[in-house]
Amino acid sequence: GAVVSQHPSWVICKSGTSVKIECRSLDFQATTMFWYRQFPKQSLMLMATSNEGSKATYEQGVEKDKFLINHASLTLSTLTVTSAHPEDSSFYICSASSERLAGGLRVKYFGPGTRLTVT
Amino acid sequence: KQEVTQIPAALSVPEGENLVLNCSFTDSAIYNLQWFRQDPGKGLTSLLLIQSSQREQTSGRLNASLDKSSGRSTLYIAASQPGDSATYLCARRVEDSSYKLIFGSGTRLLVRP
Repeated sequence: GAVVSQHPSWVICKSGTSVKIECRSLDFQATTMFWYRQFPKQSLMLMATSNEGSKATYEQGVEKDKFLINHASLTLSTLTVTSAHPEDSSFYICSASSERLAGGLRVKYFGPGTRLTVT
Repeated sequence: KQEVTQIPAALSVPEGENLVLNCSFTDSAIYNLQWFRQDPGKGLTSLLLIQSSQREQTSGRLNASLDKSSGRSTLYIAASQPGDSATYLCARRVEDSSYKLIFGSGTRLLVRP
């Protein structure tokens, strides 16, 4: 099946610093990438949707200036958490979608997640 | 509000039992419904995807059903094994062009040896 990778798998940063998380589709071109956030024992909440070469669409309540998303190519999207605070500590998961896979059903493939801890 | 609810939140069963996980959604305008497995600290593994025109999908010991009229989906796991222990999430794709998935809060399953 299609593979989506994330880097790093975990990161610890100090409050006030910025951290970048990468999401890559390894064996397919992802026309759309999604970023989710998951707090402990809670479900995934969609943060934003990004299409290659265009600005991301953020969900209500997600600060676009704090969570910068860059979908620079069909295989790479990055999420930068700027001026991170302890409340940003969470599990961030990306997913990538392609119409060319799964018979055009637009199935989404999920990355393994990145655990962010802000101290 | 497009809510997805999963019951129970947690479940502990002895090995070998057949079990049913429930997922309900408030909006019947559904494009598809998907069941995922998430191991602790890991990403999601897609288990089954049911299109709105389908009633069920099967893969090995797993069977998922979809009843749009009642807003419910069930995941049936036959002959459970300790390796089935994980959190199971259902997610519905809204019937629009955004391809968004709305997730339930999950059922944490423990299968005891």
